[in-house]
Amino acid sequence: DQQVKQNSPSLSVQEGRISILNCDYTNSMFDYFLWYKKYPAEGPTFLISISSIKDKNEDGRFTVFLNKSAKHLSLHIVPSQPGDSAVYFCAASETNTGFQKLVFGTGTRLLVSP
Amino acid sequence: DTEVTQTPKHLVMGMTNKKSLKCEQHMGHRAMYWYKQKAKKPPELMFVYSYEKLSINESVPSRFSPECPNSSLLNLHLHALQPEDSALYLCASSQEAGSPGTQYFGPGTRLLVL
Repeated sequence: DQQVKQNSPSLSVQEGRISILNCDYTNSMFDYFLWYKKYPAEGPTFLISISSIKDKNEDGRFTVFLNKSAKHLSLHIVPSQPGDSAVYFCAASETNTGFQKLVFGTGTRLLVSP
Repeated sequence: DTEVTQTPKHLVMGMTNKKSLKCEQHMGHRAMYWYKQKAKKPPELMFVYSYEKLSINESVPSRFSPECPNSSLLNLHLHALQPEDSALYLCASSQEAGSPGTQYFGPGTRLLVL
């Protein structure tokens, strides 16, 4: 049972345009969400996070939007750069369990072409 | 500094070998994690340590044995592994295990079991 889903396995965008990566979750108890970027044979690199008490968080070129009623979050990258090409994972956790267990989505491979 | 280091980067072992993976962080984090990532899959949680005590074991087979000698170090002892255990093993740390926060990942150890 995949609690966190990223339905687009890949996304291609031109340099300078907006990249929008989507993530859906089924567990309504998730209250903290993170986006990670991953290059092959490397560990995930943290990008941005959002708590369920917010609906938007922005950090430079990266903005995460959370729609709790739809159980949906998205990551916007503006403007996209070739160096952004990587696999992006969203992750969710239910912090009131006492331990932050991250549940990862299946990932979206982003390719930004010059 | 948000660095988590892991050694070795690559490991090849036979099914009768005993080996250990090492993870180190100097961020003062009190929670450390082991994840396993198979090819084209998201990372999956194996163990959580909080204040040097094992807090979560996600039903991991006993051929994987974690150890937390001190707050900066986390080991994963491997014995009698199977070829299907070949994967990227990721270590992560966070400020606390029980409150929302970012988990910072190391680069991983790529393990091949022959």
